[in-house]
Amino acid sequence: EPEVTQTPSHQVTQMGQEVILRCVPISNHLYFYWYRQILGQKVEFLVSFYNNEISEKSEIFDDQFSVERPDGSNFTLKIRSTKLEDSAMYFCASRTQGYGYTFGSGTRLTVV
Amino acid sequence: SQQGEEDPQALSIQEGENATMNCSYKTSINNLQWYRQNSGRGLVHLILIRSNEREKHSGRLRVTLDTSKKSSSLLITASRAADTASYFCATVAYSGAGSYQLTFGKGTKLSVIP
Repeated sequence: EPEVTQTPSHQVTQMGQEVILRCVPISNHLYFYWYRQILGQKVEFLVSFYNNEISEKSEIFDDQFSVERPDGSNFTLKIRSTKLEDSAMYFCASRTQGYGYTFGSGTRLTVV
Repeated sequence: SQQGEEDPQALSIQEGENATMNCSYKTSINNLQWYRQNSGRGLVHLILIRSNEREKHSGRLRVTLDTSKKSSSLLITASRAADTASYFCATVAYSGAGSYQLTFGKGTKLSVIP
């Protein structure tokens, strides 16, 4: 069964550093998403991406965040200057024209 | 907000018993989905029920949807220790300009005691 692949599975970074979280969505999917889950809390929407541009973003997705689909297969989330409160599990998801979302297994980001 | 809100927040049952989790939401939806998350792991899609459906089955899972009450339930029959996980409902609604947004509830933490 096709999978959404996320790398790395765990990343530790110093506060203020830039991080890039990587995702390889399912190849024929058209819509791409990033969600995050702070430990013990619910999963929160960050951003959706379609046709090479952001289609929607939440209040969480401020100027420190950016997304790219640089080469038609990867979908990345960049945090420019990490803060302690950015520590969370970050999930990438993709879907086709239909409604079924496929999530990756997540990247656990720890900011120290 | 159209986020789902599950209850109970935590549920502990004996292996073999049935587990029922409920979800309520606030606005019109296109479909509702249930996900499972093992501790610290990824989200696994369990089942999707569309707004024009009332009940759906998948193996030991049974989902109902009552759009008039804006509520859904997930029933796991004959539970197993391996069903221990957090279960989230997530609503999908049209958010404009061709976009759909998936919004998660806070989840129910299910513990199945062997």
